[in-house]
Amino acid sequence: AQRVTQPEKLLSVFKGAPVELKCNYSYSGSPELFWYVQYSRQRLQLLLRHISRESIKGFTADLNKGETSFHLKKPFAQEEDSAMYYCALSGSARQLTFGSGTQLTVLP
Amino acid sequence: DTEVTQTPKHLVMGMTNKKSLKCEQHMGHRAMYWYKQKAKKPPELMFVYSYEKLSINESVPSRFSPECPNSSLLNLHLHALQPEDSALYLCASSQDGGGANTGELFFGEGSRLTVL
Repeated sequence: AQRVTQPEKLLSVFKGAPVELKCNYSYSGSPELFWYVQYSRQRLQLLLRHISRESIKGFTADLNKGETSFHLKKPFAQEEDSAMYYCALSGSARQLTFGSGTQLTVLP
Repeated sequence: DTEVTQTPKHLVMGMTNKKSLKCEQHMGHRAMYWYKQKAKKPPELMFVYSYEKLSINESVPSRFSPECPNSSLLNLHLHALQPEDSALYLCASSQDGGGANTGELFFGEGSRLTVL
């Protein structure tokens, strides 16, 4: 079975502050991890994936297999980063499992 | 065209009605998905089609019936639904290289269903 845990339902930070959205996973094989984002009134879209190892909109995420974590980080949050963020895992048989999501609010 | 298009955007139906949700993509993707999303909850996988064949059915009640007429289209036929089936139904597609991992999913905007 594959499972994704996002412990924070809500997260508020001030503009310019660092932000970290936590994600832990459970899967016995080699998973592929993703962060998806849903801005207000927009469709769910991919933010980044661990195999790309790239920074998108200033966000980065490192897969830590020892801690089974894939936390999303940004050094300086912007107001336009306010959105719902979902961590997701793809393991067996084309199943993409989402975590429960973290609603990020960046305050002015 | 790099979008997944879903119709209708909104649907209200009674418990005895029969209706269908439609999804279309022209990105050449060979995997298509139906997800159900309740308010303030993550999307939950319902069905996966790979190369037009149903590969995953997540124990969805038979009142939901998926159909994949061709590689660009995905339908979800609805019959005798219950009020608790009211939700946002999301369609998605992905390349599907044949491996276990899904790769990037491209989502539609969803069809918001209300069952009275």
